Amino acid sequence: EPEVTQTPSHQVTQMGQEVILRCVPISNHLYFYWYRQILGQKVEFLVSFYNNEISEKSEIFDDQFSVERPDGSNFTLKIRSTKLEDSAMYFCAGGPAGKDEQYFGPGTRLTVT
Amino acid sequence: AQKITQTQPGMFVQEKEAVTLDCTYDTSDPSYGLFWYKQPSSGEMIFLIYQGSYDQQNATEGRYSLNFQKARKSANLVISASQLGDSAMYFCAMREGWFGNEKLTFGTGTRLTIIP
Repeated sequence: EPEVTQTPSHQVTQMGQEVILRCVPISNHLYFYWYRQILGQKVEFLVSFYNNEISEKSEIFDDQFSVERPDGSNFTLKIRSTKLEDSAMYFCAGGPAGKDEQYFGPGTRLTVT
Repeated sequence: AQKITQTQPGMFVQEKEAVTLDCTYDTSDPSYGLFWYKQPSSGEMIFLIYQGSYDQQNATEGRYSLNFQKARKSANLVISASQLGDSAMYFCAMREGWFGNEKLTFGTGTRLTIIP
C-alpha cells in the first residue's frame, strides 16, 4: 500500500538558518497539507495546496514559510529563518480527489537550537 | 469556543476490554467530516476512521467504530477488544465545508494505556 514519505526524519538547525522539509505524497493525491505539532500539544494546520497553489493558510504560516511542488512529485516546506519556537514535528498529508481522508506522513522532527 | 473537545487527557483500560474515547465538536457548517487518528510513541499519525455529517450509519473499520450522535455533536471512538498495541495518543479532528479537502482541526488528544 502506498504511503506518504518525508525526509529527513529529524533535522537539527541553528536559529536563523533556512530549512527545507520534503514530502513525497501518494501519487493519486491531489490535495496536500502541512501541519505541525509542538511537543506535547495538538496538531495545527499550516497550509493546504491544490493545483500548484496555496488554497488556504493559517496565521502561523507567515512570510517565513513557503511551499512548493517543484517537480510534480515532491512537496516541500521551507522555513527561511528558523526561530526557536519553530521546533516541532512537521507532518505532510495528502488526500485523493473525491474522498475525505487525509493520510499523514511519518513526520520530520525539527529542532532549532 | 473550541471546535474539537476531548475531555479525557488519559485513560487506562484492561486488555481485551472495550474502550470509548470521547469527542465533541462545534460547527455551524451543515457539511463536515470527523476523523480519528492514532499517534503511537514513534510519532506518526495513523488514520483510523472517518464519518461524514450526512452519513446515515456509524462508520466502522475492523475493531474501530465511531459512535456518531449528530444532535449531541459527539463522535466518540469505540475500540472493541483492546490490545496492548492500542496504547497511544488518539486525536479527534474535523473538517468543515462542502469540498471534502478542507483543513483538519484537531483536539488535544487522549492518551490511552492498555494494561495487561
